[in-house]
Amino acid sequence: DIQMTQSPSSLSASVGDRVTITCRASHDINNYLAWFQQKPGKAPKSLIHGASILHIGVASRFSGSGSGTDFTLTISSLQPEDVATYYCQQYKSYPLTFGGGTKVEIK
Amino acid sequence: EAQLVESGGGLVQPGGSLRLSCAASGFIFSDYSMYWVRQAPGKGLEWVSYIGNDPSTIYYADSVKGRFTISRDNAKNSLSLQMNSLGVEDTAVYYCARDGSGWVIDQWGQGTLVSVSS
Repeated sequence: DIQMTQSPSSLSASVGDRVTITCRASHDINNYLAWFQQKPGKAPKSLIHGASILHIGVASRFSGSGSGTDFTLTISSLQPEDVATYYCQQYKSYPLTFGGGTKVEIK
Repeated sequence: EAQLVESGGGLVQPGGSLRLSCAASGFIFSDYSMYWVRQAPGKGLEWVSYIGNDPSTIYYADSVKGRFTISRDNAKNSLSLQMNSLGVEDTAVYYCARDGSGWVIDQWGQGTLVSVSS
């Protein structure tokens, strides 16, 4: 199985800050990497697939990069509505696996 | 607009069974593969099962293999998850999700809570 490791597990930043979350895969997954946002008490929302392709309707302040084993999710200017837990997920092979999540809070 | 609505969750005793359903609308259900993903209380996301749009392709997580059965009824736009021999470790919110293309999850339901407890 491919293990996905996210860091940090939580972070606190000010409104307007640039925020970066890292995801590392235990094996090369090319660019078969997705990011999801889950607000408290809500279902996950799909943000990014193919490591860097935003789903329709996702705010442009979100961006993704990386290939192989190392990936990043960046929020260019943190907004109050971005308070959530973010998960990466590989879909290179089954079983599909998720990272442990990064909780983003406002300072 | 695509919509997925899960139902069937509830409280069940260890060793019991439960059947979850997911009603799909707003898209051509038969064109899409589907998933079940779960989330234990306070924990992260865990993939449970996949079924292709042609239901001959099915995958399960090792944690549920032999106990859970995924199925779909394309005529009724419905996805199901039959869960048998439930244990306390199966307590979670179960989400139905759509495969947009190439194993990419692009839509999620609101989830249904399954609690396994005596």
